Amino acid sequence: NAGVTQTPKFQVLKTGQSMTLQCAQDMNHNSMYWYRQDPGMGLRLIYYSASEGTTDKGEVPNGYNVSRLNKREFSLRLESAAPSQTSVYFCASRSGTGVSKDPYEQYFGPGTRLTVT
Amino acid sequence: RKEVEQDPGPFNVPEGATVAFNCTYSNSASQSFFWYRQDCRKEPKLLMSVYSSGNEDGRFTAQLNRASQYISLLIRDSKLSDSATYLCVVQTSGTYKYIFGTGTRLKVLA
Repeated sequence: NAGVTQTPKFQVLKTGQSMTLQCAQDMNHNSMYWYRQDPGMGLRLIYYSASEGTTDKGEVPNGYNVSRLNKREFSLRLESAAPSQTSVYFCASRSGTGVSKDPYEQYFGPGTRLTVT
Repeated sequence: RKEVEQDPGPFNVPEGATVAFNCTYSNSASQSFFWYRQDCRKEPKLLMSVYSSGNEDGRFTAQLNRASQYISLLIRDSKLSDSATYLCVVQTSGTYKYIFGTGTRLKVLA
């Protein structure tokens, strides 16, 4: 049981290049998330997928697209990378179904460190 | 005003000390609350969920005050290994979204 995995761990891009960050979870979770973390900003939600087949924008979606390929996988794509997208990207998943009142915690992958020059 | 606010610290405390962090949230519809721990250059990991009645896990105690809209984390008998950043996380009722505070950095000194 690997939990949440992310690839790649590190990436350097030039401005204008594109790439896809991969995320997979083996915990049979319904909901998956993409965050970015910048110094002094905390984690900010880019996109999330409440369940297979659905995706929704978070706080900072501009410049990104996502695909919920199946229940296990949720990818994040940068179509034309910009230096402002230099950040650490975390994928997370959450157990439970619906918006229950139970406190379902999130489980995070190890992150992708992306530098755009 | 940020939805979730924390004192960034750092809190420098000697080993064995008791230290407390507070976190305030602005949305009264918030329903679930968590403390996460994040080590340098690592992913956040759940420390504990915070329940209305308060809860304890070993040296860690979490409290929720809905009237004043804050949660707290108390760490007793601090260990060197407790040095990390502690993130306050709030989930709003009826949504899948989690709002993260910027974190409070703790350094436990020998």
